[in-house]
Amino acid sequence: DGGITQSPKYLFRKEGQNVTLSCEQNLNHDAMYWYRQDPGQGLRLIYYSQIVNDFQKGDIAEGYSVSREKKESFPLTVTSAQKNPTAFYLCASSSRSVGSAKNIQYFGAGTRLSVL
Amino acid sequence: AQSVTQLDSQVPVFEEAPVELRCNYSSSVSVYLFWYVQYPNQGLQLLLKYLSGSTLVKGINGFEAEFNKSQTSFHLRKPSVHISDTAEYFCAVSDAGPAAGNNRKLIWGLGTSLAVNP
Repeated sequence: DGGITQSPKYLFRKEGQNVTLSCEQNLNHDAMYWYRQDPGQGLRLIYYSQIVNDFQKGDIAEGYSVSREKKESFPLTVTSAQKNPTAFYLCASSSRSVGSAKNIQYFGAGTRLSVL
Repeated sequence: AQSVTQLDSQVPVFEEAPVELRCNYSSSVSVYLFWYVQYPNQGLQLLLKYLSGSTLVKGINGFEAEFNKSQTSFHLRKPSVHISDTAEYFCAVSDAGPAAGNNRKLIWGLGTSLAVNP
């Protein structure tokens, strides 16, 4: 089935540790996104990528890093500089087509990150 | 720049009653509008979208929404809700103008928690 796979479903981080969240899609989408979700705050954009080997900071990029070496993959690293990493992280992708699929974002099931 | 306001953070309703979840937006350019649903501990799923054409848009699970340009609203409605509709609902908007090109980021509301009670 086509879709977006996020792993792991649950992740625990120790103080001072970097952790990487995986996001893989087989929808042949060019654009991919990382969001952070906290209770009552909706979705906040961390990073996005419109094409391979290119990405831009979103609204809350500090303490996070990404790479986009392959079209299918957009991993997110939560670095030790992110002092409050506990949240639900969502990855999404969309087609850059100018047809009827204009910016419809498709989401993975999310990764819940907690601090030990 | 666009912004989205979901007027109710929580909406409790009894099963089989009608429901309306309200969404207002602000934008200086034309927009695309979306409603997404999130069930507990899951990702988001597209319910419906308005891109152009008819202002009444029908989506999955019996939901519909009406685009009202003069009131800058895109309220979501369902005539009879079910227990399984209990979820978080998000309204989102993106720039539909030609200047946006392919860089059409979504601007999100804070969400409305719909609780359907028996």
